[in-house]
Amino acid sequence: GENVEQHPSTLSVQEGDSAVIKCTYSDSASNYFPWYKQELGKRPQLIIDIRSNVGEKKDQRIAVTLNKTAKHFSLHITETQPEDSAVYFCAASKPPGGYSTLTFGKGTMLLVSP
Amino acid sequence: NAGVMQNPRHLVRRRGQEARLRCSPMKGHSHVYWYRQLPEEGLKFMVYLQKENIIDESGMPKERFSAEFPKEGPSILRIQQVVRGDSAAYFCASSPRSGNPSTGELFFGEGSRLTVL
Repeated sequence: GENVEQHPSTLSVQEGDSAVIKCTYSDSASNYFPWYKQELGKRPQLIIDIRSNVGEKKDQRIAVTLNKTAKHFSLHITETQPEDSAVYFCAASKPPGGYSTLTFGKGTMLLVSP
Repeated sequence: NAGVMQNPRHLVRRRGQEARLRCSPMKGHSHVYWYRQLPEEGLKFMVYLQKENIIDESGMPKERFSAEFPKEGPSILRIQQVVRGDSAAYFCASSPRSGNPSTGELFFGEGSRLTVL
């Protein structure tokens, strides 16, 4: 089955700095890669996603890049703010699709200090 | 739309007791998914249900765990004879259709945190 590795497990940055979280996946058939943000004690929420036919996607301060050859994808947050502090999960899904095929990484706890 | 509602939010059980976790999907959603989150771990898929049907239970332990989504009422995840290793956060999610993840239409509840003493 699919295996998703996520690094680092914790990341501390100063407000205004950039943060990068990296994930690798094992199954070359995976074609959809979402990122979820989970604030302490709250539900995971989708913040951005990318499909395998796209190399990069950006939404304001958040961007995701995908390298299919190397089987890794990354989340980039620029101009970090304290409210970005949360646990971020990457995930991978493969055809025929369905949420039951989503495999999550173990998460990265991001702490943004004012 | 109240979103995905889970209860209880926190549940404490002693070893050997039963735990029942409930999930009401978002209005208009007929597909329910249960995930387990162990401490410092990612979310792991357990089971996918539609009304009165279990579609995929490949992630659910074969013993002590069961799930249902009756025609009326919430989906229920039932854990019999709980052990300490069952302590985790259990998240329910719902979608309006059979789930092409690329549509981004998977919405999570706030989870039920089970502690087994």
